[in-house]
Amino acid sequence: DAKTTQPPSMDCAEGRAANLPCNHSTISGNEYVYWYRQIHSQGPQYIIHGLKNNETNEMASLIITEDRKSSTLILPHATLRDTAVYYCIVILKHSGGYQKVTFGTGTKLQVIP
Amino acid sequence: DSGVTQTPKHLITATGQRVTLRCSPRSGDLSVYWYQQSLDQGLQFLIQYYNGEERAKGNILERFSAQQFPDLHSELNLSSLELGDSALYFCASSPGLSYEQYFGPGTRLTVT
Repeated sequence: DAKTTQPPSMDCAEGRAANLPCNHSTISGNEYVYWYRQIHSQGPQYIIHGLKNNETNEMASLIITEDRKSSTLILPHATLRDTAVYYCIVILKHSGGYQKVTFGTGTKLQVIP
Repeated sequence: DSGVTQTPKHLITATGQRVTLRCSPRSGDLSVYWYQQSLDQGLQFLIQYYNGEERAKGNILERFSAQQFPDLHSELNLSSLELGDSALYFCASSPGLSYEQYFGPGTRLTVT
């Protein structure tokens, strides 16, 4: 599996857009980019995923560069409840075979009032 | 609420003991995953089961074992416990082999 690199921490003002970057320069053509977040010590929560096109759902938008070597998760209007650790992971989806998932240490996003 | 349940919520035990953590996946989900999260550490993938069969293995110690039963619930067995095994243990489930995983609330294990 491709490894990812994320900044360890970021701050964002409440109500502003939070842009969380992720580098996955060794991603292969059939690997998806997934984003999860973990609020305090709760179970991680799935946010969004994509292959090459940009994706949007009710929680966030995912922008993947054309070369797929990096991506950005966008929370359009951050609230205090978005304070969490955000994980970017790369997964070979529907492989049916052996997979080893690495969540890494993620980005700790602090939303400031 | 993700629909994944884990019991117990908290567990305190002594070194050398054995414990069993239980996970019930969301209704209809066939895949179950186990993770370990030590204090201030990232999530470490332990093992994945799909419809009763082991499908992927991470950094799971030999002292740890897991299984998924015909009703799809799963158990993680931890034996010869050491202080370093103190951690949050999460279970997640997904409909198939895809990685949109839904996590349970976790079991906090404290080994004294």
